[in-house]
Amino acid sequence: DTGVSQDPRHKITKRGQNVTFRCDPISEHNRLYWYRQTLGQGPEFLTYFQNEAQLEKSRLLSDRFSAERPKGSFSTLEIQRTEQGDSAMYLCASSLRGRDPTIYEQYFGPGTRLTVT
Amino acid sequence: KQEVTQIPAALSVPEGENLVLNCSFTDSAIYNLQWFRQDPGKGLTSLLLIQSSQREQTSGRLNASLDKSSGRSTLYIAASQPGDSATYLCAVAPLYNNDMRFGAGTRLTVKP
Repeated sequence: DTGVSQDPRHKITKRGQNVTFRCDPISEHNRLYWYRQTLGQGPEFLTYFQNEAQLEKSRLLSDRFSAERPKGSFSTLEIQRTEQGDSAMYLCASSLRGRDPTIYEQYFGPGTRLTVT
Repeated sequence: KQEVTQIPAALSVPEGENLVLNCSFTDSAIYNLQWFRQDPGKGLTSLLLIQSSQREQTSGRLNASLDKSSGRSTLYIAASQPGDSATYLCAVAPLYNNDMRFGAGTRLTVKP
């Protein structure tokens, strides 16, 4: 396994269009996270899954955003009716959460850069 | 609410110099702290993870320390090289939720 992959790497869309991003985590990892990063800032947490269950969502995740992780493998993040403020890098990460939470490490994908025109 | 701050925001050093990057956080209730490297337009690469019970971790020319009680961590880079040029981010994993909090990063430039 070569790590976390994301597709597409870049997406340019017009305001009002819907977009969907895909993330494939490291195969044995049970946790999957989505983050958003704007220029000059650190990533901001959006949501995470434990297997197929979405357990936590940030207040940043408006009702235009939806994420799924069917069968606990890959995940998709959809943004409906995109706005210019949605332009950012969307990062996916995965981790293997065992009994000791202090040792779990998040591994990040290369990100999808979204530009809304 | 956990706040993570990194100082300085940018740093430029000549090749070969030793340097220290700083990270501070406001809530000591954490599982661990991670340091990441990010190249322009790329994802994050994990460098070091320090568990809440640990004081430091080392990997090659990198050494990270953690003082949980004072809410501080440092990343020490020895004998810097131009290939070390990147943005370095620290992040804390809080005890009470899974909302990993990142600093804004320190942009490091190592001049040949």
